Amino acid sequence: AQTVTQSQPEMSVQEAETVTLSCTYDTSESDYYLFWYKQPPSRQMILVIRQEAYKQQNATENRFSVNFQKAAKSFSLKISDSQLGDAAMYFCAYRSAYGSEKLVFGKGTKLTVNP
Amino acid sequence: DTGVSQDPRHKITKRGQNVTFRCDPISEHNRLYWYRQTLGQGPEFLTYFQNEAQLEKSRLLSDRFSAERPKGSFSTLEIQRTEQGDSAMYLCASSLILGTGGFTNTEAFFGQGTRLTVV
Repeated sequence: AQTVTQSQPEMSVQEAETVTLSCTYDTSESDYYLFWYKQPPSRQMILVIRQEAYKQQNATENRFSVNFQKAAKSFSLKISDSQLGDAAMYFCAYRSAYGSEKLVFGKGTKLTVNP
Repeated sequence: DTGVSQDPRHKITKRGQNVTFRCDPISEHNRLYWYRQTLGQGPEFLTYFQNEAQLEKSRLLSDRFSAERPKGSFSTLEIQRTEQGDSAMYLCASSLILGTGGFTNTEAFFGQGTRLTVV
């Protein structure tokens, strides 16, 4: 079974600074997706960024980028120019490319952005 | 269509009572997922439907849990004889899967969840 580990329960960053959230995963599959989801307090989970395992190029979405190291099974999220609205729980998730395509989540990292 | 909606948002129930939650997915989405999220944890998969067929159930889904999606549209999740350990946020997500497999590259959209407290 696949597992996802987020080793940082909490992180904080100053507004306008850069922060990196860590994620490692374990799988024996070769085809899969990795995701970072954001869950603000009392609001629904939204997708921040997605990475296909077959792509070597790291995904980027505006201020959000990932460092995908397939051999090391590492998938970190970098948030540049942090904004107050970035404060939330961030979940790393794995999804197989086949079958049910259910998401396997890590325990999350609570990000605080200080003004 | 404003996204995935769940009802109720909050439910407090006494131990031993039955509860039912509803999820309305995005209208054209054929897949619907239920997840459970306890405090300090990430969401855990419970079950999923493709159209009206329930195709997979997690071991977390005990005999007291039942889910339906009768017409391939909305879904209900019922918990019978609730226990304090059932207290959690129950999340619904939907997605559109085209074809029969392989890289579908689709996104799952989540509802705001139903927070269940069993007292």
